[in-house]
Amino acid sequence: DVKVTQSSRYLVKRTGEKVFLECVQDMDHENMFWYRQDPGLGLRLIYFSYDVKMKEKGDIPEGYSVSREKKERFSLILESASTNQTSMYLCASSLDRGKLYGYTFGSGTRLTVV
Amino acid sequence: RKEVEQDPGPFNVPEGATVAFNCTYSNSASQSFFWYRQDCRKEPKLLMSVYSSGNEDGRFTAQLNRASQYISLLIRDSKLSDSATYLCVVNMGGSYIPTFGRGTSLIVHP
Repeated sequence: DVKVTQSSRYLVKRTGEKVFLECVQDMDHENMFWYRQDPGLGLRLIYFSYDVKMKEKGDIPEGYSVSREKKERFSLILESASTNQTSMYLCASSLDRGKLYGYTFGSGTRLTVV
Repeated sequence: RKEVEQDPGPFNVPEGATVAFNCTYSNSASQSFFWYRQDCRKEPKLLMSVYSSGNEDGRFTAQLNRASQYISLLIRDSKLSDSATYLCVVNMGGSYIPTFGRGTSLIVHP
C-alpha cells in the first residue's frame, strides 16, 4: 500500500510565524498535492507538483509556497501564518494525477494559528 | 453553477437500510469518477472507482449516468460503521486535477 506520511498531526503556531508542513510518500509517485479542508468548503487545492522541482498553483495558492526537492517529499510553506490559515491540511499522492488510480492521502495536519 | 455538487445531508438511516447518494457534475467531457469515504477528523480514503458499466463491491454499488451527468453510490444493509462523509470526485475533461464534491454525511443509527 502507498503510504503518505505527514510529519505532524497537530500544530499550533503564532501569527506571523513561518510554518513548514512536510509530506513524504514511499511509492515513487510523481504527483503530489496539498489541500486544505474547512467545514462547509470541502477540499481546496493549494498547490500540486508533477515532478521534482515542478510546481503548479491550485485554486488558493495565496499565502503559501511549496518545495519539491526530492521525489518523495513535498513541503508546504506558510510564509507568514495568519489566523485564516487555521485549517486541516491534507497531502496526497497519485500515480497518475488521480485520473485513473485516485489519490492516497496522508492523515492530515490540523493547524491552528493563534 | 458548481462543477461538482452533492447534497450535504445528513442522511440519517437505521441499521439495515438501503441508502443512495447522488453527485452531479457540470462538465459533460468528464472522464473518470470516484467515491471516497472520510471518517470524522480523518483523511479521505478511496472507496471505489465508478465505471461506465457500473461496479459493485460487496454492499456498495456505484453507477454513472452520463446522459444526466451524475454518479450514484448505493449502500445496502447499512452498518453503524458506514457512518461517514462520502465525497465524490470527478476528473474533468482536459484537466488533470480531479474536482472534489463537498461530501454527503451519512449517519447510521441502531
